Amino acid sequence: DVKVTQSSRYLVKRTGEKVFLECVQDMDHENMFWYRQDPGLGLRLIYFSYDVKMKEKGDIPEGYSVSREKKERFSLILESASTNQTSMYLCASSSISGGADTGELFFGEGSRLTVL
Amino acid sequence: AQSVTQLDSHVSVSEGTPVLLRCNYSSSYSPSLFWYVQHPNKGLQLLLKYTSAATLVKGINGFEAEFKKSETSFHLTKPSAHMSDAAEYFCFTGASNDYKLSFGAGTTVTVRA
Repeated sequence: DVKVTQSSRYLVKRTGEKVFLECVQDMDHENMFWYRQDPGLGLRLIYFSYDVKMKEKGDIPEGYSVSREKKERFSLILESASTNQTSMYLCASSSISGGADTGELFFGEGSRLTVL
Repeated sequence: AQSVTQLDSHVSVSEGTPVLLRCNYSSSYSPSLFWYVQHPNKGLQLLLKYTSAATLVKGINGFEAEFKKSETSFHLTKPSAHMSDAAEYFCFTGASNDYKLSFGAGTTVTVRA
């Protein structure tokens, strides 16, 4: 089974701190994603990556950056955390190998970030 | 571009009664469609997926969904709700290159005893 692991389930940070959220997948997937989930707003795509060192902005990239130095790892970075970034962050991966695989996403359990 | 719309933000049912969660899609070609479930403080788990094979798709935990091209719908149903079905449900359309408008806003299901 595909496993997507997010390093921290719960984090509490202070305004202005730099925050790293790490995500690792073990199935050699090409695509990786960071979503933000807020009540009433569903899932919103922050960034995604379709290859090592490649990244694309999603719907809400402002205030975030990402890093993908290795295929299995995709990091989300908050350069200077703000209170409006308090949220649940979900990492996901998928393969584009074709065949029966048509974009199914595999999710981590989420990282709940609180910025004080 | 593909997108989905979940028509109900909240559904409340009694245990043992049917559940219907509605999802409409917009696509210029035959889409891949998915339903995911999220229990509190958990990640999303795939319930079922439609990938241009059978239009009636069976998933886990007794859920199924029917792809209706004429109605551009992919509604999720379960004949008899269980307390453990209380969760949030997301409809998702998979695209090869456009993930920006792919998730519905979610439907929260409450199950009454």
